Amino acid sequence: LAKTTQPISMDSYEGQEVNITCSHNNIATNDYITWYQQFPSQGPRFIIQGYKTKVTNEVASLFIPADRKSSTLSLPRVSLSDTAVYYCLVGDPSNSGYALNFGKGTSLLVTP
Amino acid sequence: DTGVSQNPRHKITKRGQNVTFRCDPISEHNRLYWYRQTLGQGPEFLTYFQNEAQLEKSRLLSDRFSAERPKGSFSTLEIQRTEQGDSAMYLCASSQWTSGRANTQYFGPGTRLTVL
Repeated sequence: LAKTTQPISMDSYEGQEVNITCSHNNIATNDYITWYQQFPSQGPRFIIQGYKTKVTNEVASLFIPADRKSSTLSLPRVSLSDTAVYYCLVGDPSNSGYALNFGKGTSLLVTP
Repeated sequence: DTGVSQNPRHKITKRGQNVTFRCDPISEHNRLYWYRQTLGQGPEFLTYFQNEAQLEKSRLLSDRFSAERPKGSFSTLEIQRTEQGDSAMYLCASSQWTSGRANTQYFGPGTRLTVL
């Protein structure tokens, strides 16, 4: 499984754009990059998934450079409710034995 | 609500007792996963099912842990002779797994276990 490295914590003010970068130097050819969000005492919530270039949905954008050795989750204009832990995961979700390999994630604190 | 549900949401038990948790996946999802999460850590994979078949169980933490999915719908996770170290959040996830596709797992709210 590809190892991921992301900042332990980040702080932001309301209304700012937040970018969380994840390093995954040994990503395999068939691996996807997936991000989950988790609030205290809740299960993780799927945010976005991508393989290359850029993916955007109503919640976030995911930027993946050509070498795929890193990726950046971008949260536009964060609010207090975006305070949560964000997990970057790398793996092949089409693999029969695939299970999510969570690290410690990035704890994002949004303040007024 | 068509999401993954888990019951109970909270369980307090005394050391040595057996506990059982239930997970109801999203309807018609063929895969069901169990994870455990301790304070300050990300979820840790335990086991998963494809329909009623348990395809991976080597990551269950000890032989005190067992899981079933008898009819390929809901699943139960049982912990026998609980220990204080079993205190954690137990999470269930499900997915509609298809070979060759980027399958997404959807999580339930979890069951918080406290062993006294």
